[in-house]
Amino acid sequence: DIQMTQSPSSLSASVGDRVTFTCRASQSMSKYLNWYQQKPGKAPKLLIYAASSLQSGVPSRFSGSGSETDFTLTITSLQPEDFATYYCQQGYSRPYTFGQGTKLEIK
Amino acid sequence: QVQLQQWGAGLLKPSETLSLTCAVYGGSFSGWYWTWIRQSPGKGLEWIGEINHRGSTNYNPSLKSRVAISVDTSKNQFSLNLTSVTAADTADYYCARMSPSCGSASCYSGDYWGQGTLVAVSS
Repeated sequence: DIQMTQSPSSLSASVGDRVTFTCRASQSMSKYLNWYQQKPGKAPKLLIYAASSLQSGVPSRFSGSGSETDFTLTITSLQPEDFATYYCQQGYSRPYTFGQGTKLEIK
Repeated sequence: QVQLQQWGAGLLKPSETLSLTCAVYGGSFSGWYWTWIRQSPGKGLEWIGEINHRGSTNYNPSLKSRVAISVDTSKNQFSLNLTSVTAADTADYYCARMSPSCGSASCYSGDYWGQGTLVAVSS
């Protein structure tokens, strides 16, 4: 199985800040990396697919980059509704696997 | 607009069988992989397996011996059965629509999800 490692595990930031999350894969996987946002009691919501493509309806302050083993999710100008937990997921090979998440908290 | 609505028993005893069903409303039922994913504090998000409209399945090897996913195309529904549950199977279970390929609008990603079902296993 491909192991996905996210860092940091938690992050404190303020409204208006720019933040970056990292996801590292245990093997090369081209661009097959997706990012999700999850709020308490809710299902994950797809933000970014194929490493850098913005899902329809997702604000443009979210962006993704990277390839092979190293990927990043960036949020520019944090909004109050962005405080949540973020997960990466690899779609390169089954079983699909997720990172352990980065919790974004209000400073 | 695509919606997934799931249901099933939320409290089980060890050795019982977990059964969940997910109904799909809107959109096409073919052309996607209909997927079960679970989430527990200890193991995080875990892909359980998937099925397409033809009934072709893929399972996580870690659960393969206990899992069966089935589909009822007449009702646009798919179901999860997990046998011989233990406390380790306690989790939030989600159904989701996942793309079977990488294209212009998706890439092996889950774009629609059910509301989740908390399943607890306790004697």
